[in-house]
Amino acid sequence: ILNVEQSPQSLHVQEGDSTNFTCSFPSSNFYALHWYRWETAKSPEALFVMTLNGDEKKKGRISATLNTKEGYSYLYIKGSQPEDSATYLCAFSRFDKLIFGTGTRLQVFP
Amino acid sequence: DTGVSQDPRHKITKRGQNVTFRCDPISEHNRLYWYRQTLGQGPEFLTYFQNEAQLEKSRLLSDRFSAERPKGSFSTLEIQRTEQGDSAMYLCASSPPAASYEQYFGPGTRLTVT
Repeated sequence: ILNVEQSPQSLHVQEGDSTNFTCSFPSSNFYALHWYRWETAKSPEALFVMTLNGDEKKKGRISATLNTKEGYSYLYIKGSQPEDSATYLCAFSRFDKLIFGTGTRLQVFP
Repeated sequence: DTGVSQDPRHKITKRGQNVTFRCDPISEHNRLYWYRQTLGQGPEFLTYFQNEAQLEKSRLLSDRFSAERPKGSFSTLEIQRTEQGDSAMYLCASSPPAASYEQYFGPGTRLTVT
């Protein structure tokens, strides 16, 4: 059974705090790891797709790293803002489908 | 807006009724996926199409569920004889021919079965 696990399940931070989430996935037969941001009433938005061990990607204040050998990825948000409040999903590519974790729900208070 | 669209956004139905959802993918995306998210879970794969061919169906997709993509463009997902356990968010995604691992999602259809 393929399992993608995310932690923490939820997180409440103050505006300006930096935060990070973890995604663990099966390390065998790795193809790609995805991070999505999903705001209420909107479409899940792709943040990063990472395919190579050691990949580091950055988009503004958000960055992600990938370790395919040990099967984990970290997502970092620097200086959180209220508009960062969302559910952050990671997903593991398995053949032609995505296998998702349960997500980390982030709430940033002003 | 050129993203993936889904209709309706919300559907409330009584147990035993049939419902149908529609997904319009991004133009020229040849792959289309359906996922379902229930409370406290991440989205789970249901089925996907390449053009009009349905290539894989999850065991989650019982006989009451049927999906079609007759002309390789939009897709419909029908649930017959709905049950309360069908209450969920139904998400559609599409991906382009050159990058099938990139999936672009629609906003979902939230189904509530009373």
